[in-house]
Amino acid sequence: DQQVKQNSPSLSVQEGRISILNCDYTNSMFDYFLWYKKYPAEGPTFLISISSIKDKNEDGRFTVFLNKSAKHLSLHIVPSQPGDSAVYFCAARRGLIQGAQKLVFGQGTRLTINP
Amino acid sequence: DAGVIQSPRHEVTEMGQEVTLRCKPISGHDYLFWYRQTMMRGLELLIYFNNNVPIDDSGMPEDRFSAKMPNASFSTLKIQPSEPRDSAVYFCASSLSHTQYFGPGTRLTVL
Repeated sequence: DQQVKQNSPSLSVQEGRISILNCDYTNSMFDYFLWYKKYPAEGPTFLISISSIKDKNEDGRFTVFLNKSAKHLSLHIVPSQPGDSAVYFCAARRGLIQGAQKLVFGQGTRLTINP
Repeated sequence: DAGVIQSPRHEVTEMGQEVTLRCKPISGHDYLFWYRQTMMRGLELLIYFNNNVPIDDSGMPEDRFSAKMPNASFSTLKIQPSEPRDSAVYFCASSLSHTQYFGPGTRLTVL
């Protein structure tokens, strides 16, 4: 049962343009969402997060949007840079119950920024 | 500040051997997580600790896997005996609140 889904295994974007990575979830108990970025031979690195009480969170070139009714979130990167080429993981956390620290990860999307 | 430290970075062993992976969490973090990443299953949680106590080990695949956290600054994940299907990258992560911080991982190859 894949509770967090990233349906696009890969995405290719031209440098300077907007990159949009998508994530869908099925569990309405998720209350906190995170995006991680992973380079080869390194561990995932936290990028940005959003609480379920918000619908948008922005940090520099990165913005995460949350649509709770659609159970969908997206990560926007503007403008895209070559260093953004990595695998991006969406993760979700269930709150207010035992085990709330557990994160459920999507399968990842490999983003390639072309010069 | 030092991040999460894992050792070894690479481990190659033969089927049937015991393997021990090590993790030092970020100082002050009270949660520690062990994950496994494979092509087939992605990033999956094996076990996590809170204040050195195992909270949820439902992701541990078999009795061959065990994890300990004897103190706040050290944890081990042991596989005994190891099998080729255990080949994967194993990550340790620690956290204080929402955000988990990952180590660089240990790439395990079981021949």
